[in-house]
Amino acid sequence: EVQLQESGPGLVKPSQSLSLTCSVTGYSITSNYWGWIRKFPGNKMEWMGYISYSGSTSYNPSLKSRISITRDTSKNQFFLQLNSVTTEDTATYYCARSWDYFDYWGQGVMVTVSS
Amino acid sequence: DIQMTQSPASLSASLGETVTIECRASEDIYNGLAWYQQKPGKSPQLLIYNANSLHTGVPSRFSGSGSGTQYSLKINSLQSEDVASYFCQQYYDYPWTFGGGTKLELK
Repeated sequence: EVQLQESGPGLVKPSQSLSLTCSVTGYSITSNYWGWIRKFPGNKMEWMGYISYSGSTSYNPSLKSRISITRDTSKNQFFLQLNSVTTEDTATYYCARSWDYFDYWGQGVMVTVSS
Repeated sequence: DIQMTQSPASLSASLGETVTIECRASEDIYNGLAWYQQKPGKSPQLLIYNANSLHTGVPSRFSGSGSGTQYSLKINSLQSEDVASYFCQQYYDYPWTFGGGTKLELK
């Protein structure tokens, strides 16, 4: 069974970087696409970007200058880094397997940006 | 960006009732649409993809339809376990975008 699990700090200071890890079991990240999605307080959802089976990436233009998605295939993990965060980046962050739509999701990690 | 307008924002229905949730895209998305269910404290679960294809393991009381810019999710014979938030996502064009969500409660 495909399982995804996000990990990372729940509190980040403004202007710092947010770094999250998604650990995948039951399926290789060298297949499919692997994405990050976030849900803001108030329930708006935003696709942030993905990393493909080959390691290529695609990002939401709204984040393009601040986001980086990378991977470690030896550990079957992929990573999110979001730079220069503000309080508007406070959200629950999810990783998910993607075929365009998302068929397997992690449980999510709530990240608060606050000093 | 393609805007996804979902309605209603909230909905109250009785057990056994049929419920319909709508999503309107700001341009034709050629059936590149998915529906998700999210229960409180849980991660979203895929229900429908390609506008009308039922994801594996999803009860047949859920169905999707539509074309062009107008899509809908129908839940037949509402069950108590269907109380959740529902949202749509278009993947026809980048950036992929989501509807604002519909919160479904029991009357």
